[in-house]
Amino acid sequence: QLLDSGGGLVQPGGSLRLSCAASGFAFSSYAMTWVRQAPGKGLEWVSTISGRGSDTYYAESVKGRFTISRDNSKTTLYLQMTSLRVEDTAVYYCVKAKVVGTPRASAAYWGQGTLVIVSS
Amino acid sequence: DIQMTQSPSFLSASVGDRVTITCRASQGIGDYLAWYQQKPGKVPKLLIYGASSLQSGVPSRFSGSGSGTDFSLAITSLQPEDVATYYCQNYNSAPFTFGPGTKVDIK
Repeated sequence: QLLDSGGGLVQPGGSLRLSCAASGFAFSSYAMTWVRQAPGKGLEWVSTISGRGSDTYYAESVKGRFTISRDNSKTTLYLQMTSLRVEDTAVYYCVKAKVVGTPRASAAYWGQGTLVIVSS
Repeated sequence: DIQMTQSPSFLSASVGDRVTITCRASQGIGDYLAWYQQKPGKVPKLLIYGASSLQSGVPSRFSGSGSGTDFSLAITSLQPEDVATYYCQNYNSAPFTFGPGTKVDIK
């Protein structure tokens, strides 16, 4: 199970931290990903982190502003978002990789999503 | 970076029709291609991984094919519950981009 949380209304230039509490699987064995979807738009891959947290990957649109991290002892995934822009408004989904041990994996299981609204 | 394109962007077909959606990668990605289905107001769901492997629980009327740069998703007999937007995704190398989506409707 993946429980996304932390979304809300924030002003442009502000910060927000999303969390994803995972349960029911060997969390540290799987890469985890954040995917977002702006209202009425398609899916956008945001960031992926390896199982141990040693490797991270970012979309160009968020590089330098967002930081993905994980706490395997708490089986929780995070996305720290700073310098938020209006165009970051979206539902953010926490996603579990289908296979263990690699970030090169399809997205097998999706959280319910948490809505981030960036507006003044 | 690898760009993903899909065609058509919208299709309308009758119940029982065979429909095909194509996805093209700007560079070769082997078989590191997934297909997802997103019904209106719902969370996306994995249909196909490895370009042609059916995810557990997905009806057998769905199938995927292709490798390298050209891929396709087929629905052999379209059902009303298949109304959704379908996305392909490259997971060969970051950025793990999604295609723009294909919206499927019933005529």
